[in-house]
Amino acid sequence: GAGVSQSPRYKVTKRGQDVALRCDPISGHVSLYWYRQALGQGPEFLTYFNYEAQQDKSGLPNDRFSAERPEGSISTLTIQRTEQRDSAMYRCASSATGNEQFFGPGTRLTVL
Amino acid sequence: GDSVTQMEGPVTLSEEAFLTINCTYTATGYPSLFWYVQYPGEGLQLLLKATKADDKGSNKGFEATYRKETTSFHLEKGSVQVSDSAVYFCALDQTGANNLFFGTGTRLTVIP
Repeated sequence: GAGVSQSPRYKVTKRGQDVALRCDPISGHVSLYWYRQALGQGPEFLTYFNYEAQQDKSGLPNDRFSAERPEGSISTLTIQRTEQRDSAMYRCASSATGNEQFFGPGTRLTVL
Repeated sequence: GDSVTQMEGPVTLSEEAFLTINCTYTATGYPSLFWYVQYPGEGLQLLLKATKADDKGSNKGFEATYRKETTSFHLEKGSVQVSDSAVYFCALDQTGANNLFFGTGTRLTVIP
């Protein structure tokens, strides 16, 4: 079947605007993860879900960041009042039971 | 806390050369270890993994052995090809943590 998809692939926004990034995991995958990757760095964990339950949000940098997965499938990562330091690649991954994560292509966010 | 230290790049090799990319880790307990690869314009893909000490992961001619005594998981390939040009990320999954810690990535360029 299809892999993990993310939309939009590119997002340019002005400082202070809210953005919503979408992740569509592999069908049937229980777990969904969000990571942020700065240029020249490895991905950094933000949060993850099992089904619709957010299990760990310890990586969210501050309360402007939130995520949801209301029906246990598609997830949305929302950043409120964006700042220039939020510019990065945001990556989503999903996994079945077990520890192999499959990554989407990412959303490149640029905050002007 | 958990961390992954990865050999800095960029690395440039001629086709058919031997490749080693070093990776060492710090973790409590017994993590699983991974190498992910990111080809130009694509998302992260799992290259290989090892879940316990002395395990060897292998795929596409690449190998890495989980060395608990040296806390290392070095990536090797005997003869690289131009198509191996990519960024390689070492990562660990601490048991029960349900998220991946990544190294900073090593960019490999193979020239004909």
